[in-house]
Amino acid sequence: GAVVSQHPSRVICKSGTSVKIECRSLDFQATTMFWYRQFPKQSLMLMATSNEGSKATYEQGVEKDKFLINHASLTLSTLTVTSAHPEDSSFYICSASGTGMRTNSPLHFGNGTRLTVT
Amino acid sequence: SQQGEEDPQALSIQEGENATMNCSYKTSINNLQWYRQNSGRGLVHLILIRSNEREKHSGRLRVTLDTSKKSSSLLITASRAADTASYFCATDRTGANNLFFGTGTRLTVIP
Repeated sequence: GAVVSQHPSRVICKSGTSVKIECRSLDFQATTMFWYRQFPKQSLMLMATSNEGSKATYEQGVEKDKFLINHASLTLSTLTVTSAHPEDSSFYICSASGTGMRTNSPLHFGNGTRLTVT
Repeated sequence: SQQGEEDPQALSIQEGENATMNCSYKTSINNLQWYRQNSGRGLVHLILIRSNEREKHSGRLRVTLDTSKKSSSLLITASRAADTASYFCATDRTGANNLFFGTGTRLTVIP
């Protein structure tokens, strides 16, 4: 089945620094990738949708200058949390859908990245 | 908010019993999907039901969909300790996988 790899699985950074999270589709071409944020014991909130080669579409309330998304190739999307603050600490999860997948095909998720900002 | 709601928020049952989780949503949908999440991990797709379907089965899973009530249920029969996880419904309005997740049910199956 389709595999999505997310890296790193955990990262601890100091306040004010930037952190990059990678999401790779290993065995299919991901034309669309989705980035979610999840607070402890809560649901996933869609942050943005990225299509290969174009600018990401951000959900209302998500700061595009804070959460930079790049989807430069069909197998890689990155989320960069810029000037991180403790309130950015969260679990970030990516998912992907791609070419050859039927409409109504389920998404494939990465295993998530736990970001802790100290 | 387009986020759906699930109930119960938490459910604890004995191994072998059935578990039922409910999901309500607000908008019209193309399909509704159920996912499972083990603690601190990504999501695993369980089952997808289209808006023109009313019931679907997959192994020990049974999903129903009532679009008139904007609700869905997930039934896990003959539960096992390994079923312990959080379960989320997610609605897809267009079929393009732009998913909005419910609040989730945390299921604990006691061996």
